[in-house]
Amino acid sequence: EVQLVESGGGLVQPGGSLRLPCVVSGFTFSTYWMTWVRQAPGKGLEWVAKINQDGSEKYYVDSVKGRFTISRGNAENSLYLQMNSLRAEDTAVYYCARYARSSYYMDVWGKGTTVTVSS
Amino acid sequence: QSALTQPRSVSGSPGQSVTISCTGTSSDVGGYNYVSWYQQYPGKAPKLMIYDVTKRPSGVPDRFSGSKSDNTASLTISGLQAEDEADYYCCSYEGNYRNYVFGTGTKVTVL
Repeated sequence: EVQLVESGGGLVQPGGSLRLPCVVSGFTFSTYWMTWVRQAPGKGLEWVAKINQDGSEKYYVDSVKGRFTISRGNAENSLYLQMNSLRAEDTAVYYCARYARSSYYMDVWGKGTTVTVSS
Repeated sequence: QSALTQPRSVSGSPGQSVTISCTGTSSDVGGYNYVSWYQQYPGKAPKLMIYDVTKRPSGVPDRFSGSKSDNTASLTISGLQAEDEADYYCCSYEGNYRNYVFGTGTKVTVL
């Protein structure tokens, strides 16, 4: 069974940092693009970042550029999101998702992990 | 990188059809056939319903269909059922930044 499990969420003060891991199973992780999508409380989905199979290509939404870093460890079947200089507006549920092969859509999603930025 | 525009809500009675629009620009919806649609129940992860504008993943009922004209994509739910009551989001590839942009989301209510 294909599974994506996020963790690492929690309460962090403004200006703080947090690292979100997403551990995957049930498929060959190293052959897929991966992505992070977030959803602020009561709001819509927002695409955050994506990374290619070997980590050599990374793309970000403007609002997180320079603060967030997407990475992956193919040996550990894990995707990561390092979040620095956190702001209140980064408060959201963070989902990791897989892009279907050679495609432009997300076919499998994790259940999400909640990040709250507040003093 | 502005969100795609969707109506805030649509509603219909069981058995009726509803259509959700998703309006973007020539840099996203209008420029590529890479529009996907996701269904989301409260507190749950999104689920893929339509990809590449018109294609349906296995397991998704055929009452869900997608289309596109110029800069506007649409999701139609025919023969509305109670379990279709959820939030729906469109998503498009955006070529200028090689990013993705989601729609603002539409709540579907079954009367």
